[in-house]
Amino acid sequence: GESVGLHLPTLSVQEGDNSIINCAYSNSASDYFIWYKQESGKGPQFIIDIRSNMDKRQGQRVTVLLNKTVKHLSLQIAATQPGDSAVYFCAETRNSGNTPLVFGKGTRLSVIA
Amino acid sequence: KAGVTQTPRYLIKTRGQQVTLSCSPISGHRSVSWYQQTPGQGLQFLFEYFSETQRNKGNFPGRFSGRQFSNSRSEMNVSTLELGDSALYLCASRTSSNYGYTFGSGTRLTVV
Repeated sequence: GESVGLHLPTLSVQEGDNSIINCAYSNSASDYFIWYKQESGKGPQFIIDIRSNMDKRQGQRVTVLLNKTVKHLSLQIAATQPGDSAVYFCAETRNSGNTPLVFGKGTRLSVIA
Repeated sequence: KAGVTQTPRYLIKTRGQQVTLSCSPISGHRSVSWYQQTPGQGLQFLFEYFSETQRNKGNFPGRFSGRQFSNSRSEMNVSTLELGDSALYLCASRTSSNYGYTFGSGTRLTVV
């Protein structure tokens, strides 16, 4: 498969455990944040988003937490499955809608069966 | 509905050549953005087009250019290719008001 990052931080978790992936964003003016999942040979896939007027949002097996004070995002994946193995990116932008999406460096999640 | 379609999936070019990549956005999406992805630099923003106009531009040399057609399809061109241009080029589309970008599978460009 195609490598999306040779030197990414890696998180290894046992199947069934919960995973927490962290991200520090760079722009204090950013007010919209997205988590993406990228599998080998594919483009980034939208997982969940959150706006700055919220500090938590839940989806199916995933939760995003936002701490604007320290400019930190986290993605929690419950009951991690082998299919969750991928590279995860956080991305930020401003609510004006006319500013580009800026991506973090990514974290590789490896699920151990 | 169909997703974002990028063609071709793979390309091999020689240094000094030029290349054109194509992106067809999701139907109804008027904004198309291009990103370059490399192992060393991650996902870097190239440019965004909306209604045939470039709305934003990243920090890339003028060898990188793009355009958008009236049907929202977009192309990007890289002239005078360098070895460092080898990368996965990703296209993403969104509606004018929806901030959630949808990405295509990318075009893998290898410059030899």
